[in-house]
Amino acid sequence: EAGVAQSPRYKIIEKRQSVAFWCNPISGHATLYWYQQILGQGPKLLIQFQNNGVVDDSQLPKDRFSAERLKGVDSTLKIQPAKLEDSAVYLCASSPGLLNSPLHFGNGTRLTVT
Amino acid sequence: RKEVEQDPGPFNVPEGATVAFNCTYSNSASQSFFWYRQDCRKEPKLLMSVYSSGNEDGRFTAQLNRASQYISLLIRDSKLSDSATYLCVLRGSTLGRLYFGRGTQLTVWP
Repeated sequence: EAGVAQSPRYKIIEKRQSVAFWCNPISGHATLYWYQQILGQGPKLLIQFQNNGVVDDSQLPKDRFSAERLKGVDSTLKIQPAKLEDSAVYLCASSPGLLNSPLHFGNGTRLTVT
Repeated sequence: RKEVEQDPGPFNVPEGATVAFNCTYSNSASQSFFWYRQDCRKEPKLLMSVYSSGNEDGRFTAQLNRASQYISLLIRDSKLSDSATYLCVLRGSTLGRLYFGRGTQLTVWP
């Protein structure tokens, strides 16, 4: 089974620029998550989709972050404008949507904001 | 108070040693629990789920203590390849959100 695909792997931008990340979940997985992982910390949920609807975006900094999953399959996460503290790894994960099912992560996008 | 608390370590142990990690959680309504493993500069990967009765997978044993609100991971006969960060994860009752601990770093030396 193909895993969660993410691109790009690395991105370096200057503060105040914009950036977008892409994720394609495992086929058939209804639930898609975007996490932010700052060095030395555990992943922090930014947004959770169930099919094409948002289930939880309470921790998404909506003044600068946005995400969509228009057709209920792949998803994009955008940051505009970026700040220095946005430097992190952005992880996409998917799961079948069952209550106790674990998450499958992509290999992440490492963002550096200078 | 954070949802999940973990000792970040690092734990440095010789090959063959037994090592245990604990993780405490604050919400008694938490529904399910997992241990994930994360290698340096890689994504987290599921190590094992944690069941109420405790469960074992080879050299790894996971325990859940709901009364005291902690889970544990025991690794027996440590291998060099066990060197990684171990993340404690729980699924909360609010929207089924997953909460990650900050991870415990383990280094196994020869």
